[in-house]
Amino acid sequence: DAGVTQSPTHLIKTRGQHVTLRCSPISGHKSVSWYQQVLGQGPQFIFQYYEKEERGRGNFPDRFSARQFPNYSSELNVNALLLGDSALYLCASSQEAGVNQPQHFGDGTRLSIL
Amino acid sequence: AQKITQTQPGMFVQEKEAVTLDCTYDTSDQSYGLFWYKQPSSGEMIFLIYQGSYDEQNATEGRYSLNFQKARKSANLVISASQLGDSAMYFCAMRELNYGGSQGNLIFGKGTKLSVKP
Repeated sequence: DAGVTQSPTHLIKTRGQHVTLRCSPISGHKSVSWYQQVLGQGPQFIFQYYEKEERGRGNFPDRFSARQFPNYSSELNVNALLLGDSALYLCASSQEAGVNQPQHFGDGTRLSIL
Repeated sequence: AQKITQTQPGMFVQEKEAVTLDCTYDTSDQSYGLFWYKQPSSGEMIFLIYQGSYDEQNATEGRYSLNFQKARKSANLVISASQLGDSAMYFCAMRELNYGGSQGNLIFGKGTKLSVKP
């Protein structure tokens, strides 16, 4: 079975631009979460979606938004990009949204802002 | 206060030896989950092992075991018989029931870089 897939793998943008990152969860997984990992740090939670509804939001500005589609895939959108948005963006999926559900991660999208 | 603390920025271990990576956590929840992930230099996060707050037995998965001491709020990862391929960043993470208004998302520590020497 395919794991979590993310696209694109790498992306270079300039300040002020907009970006859309995509994620397909493992088949059968209903929960998708997004994380931002800045170099040298652990991932920071951005959003969680479960059954197409937002179930949680981390401490990120409104420039960050996301949605989940009927097939459970998800998009993360970031507007008005800043240099500080340069990071590895990780998508994770789990079957359900409970505390005992391990989240399985994709390979990430490496976003560089010039 | 940090929710997940990993005090070892870097560790070295000789191939075939065992190594313990430290993790302490802070929560007032009764129900929570503790996870360890491995992140090689290529970037993907690989799930290794899970321990639930109500589990009385320490979790084991192959060469990985989790030394769970609930009263001390510690969840150390033990890797037995280290291999060269174990060289990577290791992250301890916690999932609380109601963190961030969600049904439990992962809170990560800063990680420990493990280097296995031949």
